[in-house]
Amino acid sequence: DAGITQSPRHKVTETGTPVTLRCHQTENHRYMYWYRQDPGHGLRLIHYSYGVKDTDKGEVSDGYSVSRSKTEDFLLTLESATSSQTSVYFCAISESEGSDSSDEQFFGPGTRLTVL
Amino acid sequence: AQKVTQAQTEISVVEKEDVTLDCVYETRDTTYYLFWYKQPPSGELVFLIRRNSFDEQNEISGRYSWNFQKSTSSFNFTITASQVVDSAVYFCALSEGSGAGSYQLTFGKGTKLSVIP
Repeated sequence: DAGITQSPRHKVTETGTPVTLRCHQTENHRYMYWYRQDPGHGLRLIHYSYGVKDTDKGEVSDGYSVSRSKTEDFLLTLESATSSQTSVYFCAISESEGSDSSDEQFFGPGTRLTVL
Repeated sequence: AQKVTQAQTEISVVEKEDVTLDCVYETRDTTYYLFWYKQPPSGELVFLIRRNSFDEQNEISGRYSWNFQKSTSSFNFTITASQVVDSAVYFCALSEGSGAGSYQLTFGKGTKLSVIP
């Protein structure tokens, strides 16, 4: 199994508070992704990174920011959490050469976030 | 824009029956990649298969097989002689091979398979 951990695994917070989720990998993969999973929506991409300090927006990026200061860590921040951000958040990694996205993405165990 | 449709929301089968999960995709790219992932009740996402748009050969892995047909934009997944351990949500996903969309996996909404003993 790919070495991907997410922390925390569960979090309950209140509306308006900042929240940071961490994804850590030991595979030295170049690409990292944050998805959210909601009933009836499958998984949707929030942000992704294609290298240290290189990030870009995904389909549902509003209300989220990310940072990647080291190859192994990718942080997802909710600056001011809202109830609509209650979800299960998955981190994923892949190792694609060049601009080809053919490599499969391997997923972390997920973080269940509840915003009250 | 790319899109993946899994029309079957939930399927129930009796153990040892065969079951096919449907996946229909839309993309404007000629180069793209299709994937299937399994999410068991424990919640993790498990990669099952990747297929690129230039390879239409069907693939078999044990009790699992995949049928890729570009003519109908479908990438269906069949489980033969289903087992209780196959109970999970299965996701089909699409990634376009070039351009700004290269890094994005677009997922279908998933099909929940329940295998009854």
